[in-house]
Formats: sequence, structure tokens, C-alpha cells
Amino acid sequence: QVQLQESGPGLVKPSQTLSLTCTVSGGSISSGGCYWTWIRQHPGKGLEWIGYIYYSGSTYYNPSLKSRVTISVDTSKNQFSLKLSSVTAADTAVYYCARRAPSALTEFDPWGQGTLVTVSS
Amino acid sequence: QSVLTQPPSASATPGQRVTISCSGSSSNIGSNFVYWYQQLPGTAPKLLIYRNNQRPSGVPDRFSGSKSGTSASLAISGLRSEDEADYYCAAWDDSLSGHVVFGGGTKLTVL
Repeated sequence: QVQLQESGPGLVKPSQTLSLTCTVSGGSISSGGCYWTWIRQHPGKGLEWIGYIYYSGSTYYNPSLKSRVTISVDTSKNQFSLKLSSVTAADTAVYYCARRAPSALTEFDPWGQGTLVTVSS
Repeated sequence: QSVLTQPPSASATPGQRVTISCSGSSSNIGSNFVYWYQQLPGTAPKLLIYRNNQRPSGVPDRFSGSKSGTSASLAISGLRSEDEADYYCAAWDDSLSGHVVFGGGTKLTVL
């Protein structure tokens, strides 16, 4: 079955760009009509959708983060990535990648294990 | 402040039935499917209910979902200690060109 794994720096300095990659295994990122998603969870808080991407490159972003977010896909590596610019301490969170089902705007399954990113100097 | 409103906590004893509510508006729950996610301590969320009331394979039938108007509910019957977790509702919101919204989460304690 499809599995997802996040990777990237666990510590980012304020004002810099947070960069994470999600590697998909057990299936092709280009097949099945799925969208590939980033969701974050601030420490001790709820979930926040960041955005998702189709293998063709079509993207949908959270309006509250849109000005700072870029999600991209590399089909040759079966990976998709997140870049969040101009980070502050408020961007400290566990970042999850997940697969969104075809034609199901809010159905996320499976999820990666998550990676904690701390923004601090 | 989450767009979807959930009670921050709920509790019940083993064997009992507990219900968690999720309140929204016409632009989200009122016009789109509701999904529920279970997050066990220290783990990633897991899909629990999709399209208002459907269970993925492997999810026990003790878990059920329902929707009425701009509100939804998750019910857990025959409560077990392993059900102690955070539960989140989610829906698509048609405002602002469309985006995903989550509830703030409900921490379920099995007494």
C-alpha cells in the first residue's frame, strides 16, 4: 500500500524558507487521480490545511498561507515538496504529508508520520 | 479560531456511547461532505469516517457519522480504552475560492 515519508530540516531560522519533501512509496504519484497534500499541526493544537498538488502541477492553497506557500511535484522521484517563506515562530509545527482521494476534497489517507519543524534563531 | 466548532473535550466510561459534535455553516458542512479523523497520542491522524457516514475498511462499526444541515456528529458506541484520542472533523469550504477547514479537535477521555 501507499506510504508517505516527510523529510527536511528540523530547525529553520526566522525569515528563512522552510523546505520539506514527501517521498511516496508503494504507488506512483502520477496515477489514480490523487492530490498530494501538506497539513500542519501547531504544538498542542488542531490541524491546518496548507495545500495540495496534482501530478500535473495544479495547486490549491490555503488562502491564509497562499502568499508564502509553494508546493511542487517531481514525478521522476515520486516526491512532492513544500516551501514556506518568511517563517516566524508561528510556523513551528508538525508538518504532515498525505494523499487526497480523487474527487474527495477533504479525504486524506494515508498520512506520513509527520516531521517537527521548529523556527528559532 | 477554527471554522468548524467542536467541543474541546468529551469523556465516558468503557462500554458507553459518546457523541462528538461538529458545527459549521452553509458554505462548508451545509453543502459538502464531512470527514472525521482520529489521532491517537503521538501519531499521525487517521481517516475514520468519509462522506458523512462511510467507514473505511478496518474501522469498527462502533464508529458512525451523521450530518444534518450545518452540523455533523461522530458517535462511538461500546467505548474502549483504545478509543482515547483526539478527533477532528473536516469539510471543504466554498468561500474564498474554496479551501479545506478542520474543527479544533475533541480530546476523548475514556474514564
